[in-house]
Amino acid sequence: NAGVTQTPKFQVLKTGQSMTLQCAQDMNHNSMYWYRQDPGMGLRLIYYSASEGTTDKGEVPNGYNVSRLNKREFSLRLESAAPSQTSVYFCASIGGTIANTGELFFGEGSRLTVL
Amino acid sequence: GENVEQHPSTLSVQEGDSAVIKCTYSDSASNYFPWYKQELGKRPQLIIDIRSNVGEKKDQRIAVTLNKTAKHFSLHITETQPEDSAVYFCAAIRQGGSYIPTFGRGTSLIVHP
Repeated sequence: NAGVTQTPKFQVLKTGQSMTLQCAQDMNHNSMYWYRQDPGMGLRLIYYSASEGTTDKGEVPNGYNVSRLNKREFSLRLESAAPSQTSVYFCASIGGTIANTGELFFGEGSRLTVL
Repeated sequence: GENVEQHPSTLSVQEGDSAVIKCTYSDSASNYFPWYKQELGKRPQLIIDIRSNVGEKKDQRIAVTLNKTAKHFSLHITETQPEDSAVYFCAAIRQGGSYIPTFGRGTSLIVHP
């Protein structure tokens, strides 16, 4: 049971390049989330997927797209990276058999630098 | 949407002292309030939580209190130790709805030996 797995852990991009962050969970969770973490700004929600087949914008969705490929996987895509997207990205999930507890499980994070 | 304010942004204490971190929320429908601890370079992890039908909850040196009327909740750490040094995040969530956790901006707790 690996929990929430994110790849890659580190990535350096040039402005204008594209990339996809991958996230998978093996806890049979319904809801999945992508957050970005910047110094002094806490965890800000980019996109979320309440259940397989649905996605919705969060607080800071501009410049990103997401795909809920199946119940396990939720990917985040940067189509044309900008220096303002330099951040640490966390994928998280909740639901399934622990839905009533409300615990959000996080991946290890992906540190992205855009030059 | 929900808005969560967290204070202070930085808290420095001596080992053995108590530490208190406070959060306020705006959505009266929020009914679940977890606290996460994030050590340097690691992922946030749940340390304690409280639901809206409870006023206080304790787990060893950690306690959380909730005042629904005033819409604020607090994390209390007693007998602090150097390993308590980390960033702490509060969150407010409305269970039963779309379940979108909204986080405070975090408090960097530094415990000096």
